[in-house]
Amino acid sequence: DAKTTQPNSMESNEEEPVHLPCNHSTISGTDYIHWYRQLPSQGPEYVIHGLTSNVNNRMASLAIAEDRKSSTLILHRATLRDAAVYYCIAGNQFYFGTGTSLTVIP
Amino acid sequence: NAGVTQTPKFRILKIGQSMTLQCTQDMNHNYMYWYRQDPGMGLKLIYYSVGAGITDKGEVPNGYNVSRSTTEDFPLRLELAAPSQTSVYFCASSYSPLWAADIQYFGAGTRLSVL
Repeated sequence: DAKTTQPNSMESNEEEPVHLPCNHSTISGTDYIHWYRQLPSQGPEYVIHGLTSNVNNRMASLAIAEDRKSSTLILHRATLRDAAVYYCIAGNQFYFGTGTSLTVIP
Repeated sequence: NAGVTQTPKFRILKIGQSMTLQCTQDMNHNYMYWYRQDPGMGLKLIYYSVGAGITDKGEVPNGYNVSRSTTEDFPLRLELAAPSQTSVYFCASSYSPLWAADIQYFGAGTRLSVL
C-alpha cells in the first residue's frame, strides 16, 4: 500500500481557495486516491476520491498529477466549517497518517 | 438517517476490566471496520470484517477481539483493559471492499479512558 506525505498544518483566509497537497510516490496503477476529513470531536467523513482524472463534487475538487505521484485537494472557497484535519489515503488498505490540520482565518 | 451508530460515547475503565464497544449500521454494508485514534495521531485499523462470520486483523489487533454474527453489528471486545488502550475508537462500514473505491462511513466514536 502506498504511504502518503502531507504537510502537518496549513492556514487559509475565509472565502479564499485552499490547495492541500499530498505526495504518494509509491502508488500503484490500480490504487485510488481518497480524501477524508475529520472535524473536531467527530469521526472522519468522505470528501472525494479519484484514480487518474481530476474529479469534482459539491465539496471539493481533486487534481491528480499525470504521473499519479501526487494530488491536490482543492476547496474553492474555504469557510470556517472547513476547519478540520484532512487525510489523503492511497491504496486498498486505509492507512490514515496524521493528515493536514487546516485552520481557516475569519 | 442513522448510518453507523456507536455506543457508549464515553467510558472510563479500571485496569483489568472488560467491556464491549457496540457498533451497528443500517446501510446493509458488507464491510465493517474498527479503528483507534490516539491523541494527535491518525487512525489505526484494529480489525475488519468482510461479512457475517468473517473477520481479520488490522494493524493493531493485540488486546482486542471481534465477532460478526449479523450484517448489522460488529462489536469490539476489550478483555483486560490497559492504560495503553486509552483512545478514541471509531467504527466504520462500506458496501464494497476498499480497493473498489467505495466510501467508508464512520460513527461518532467512543472515547475510552483506562485508569
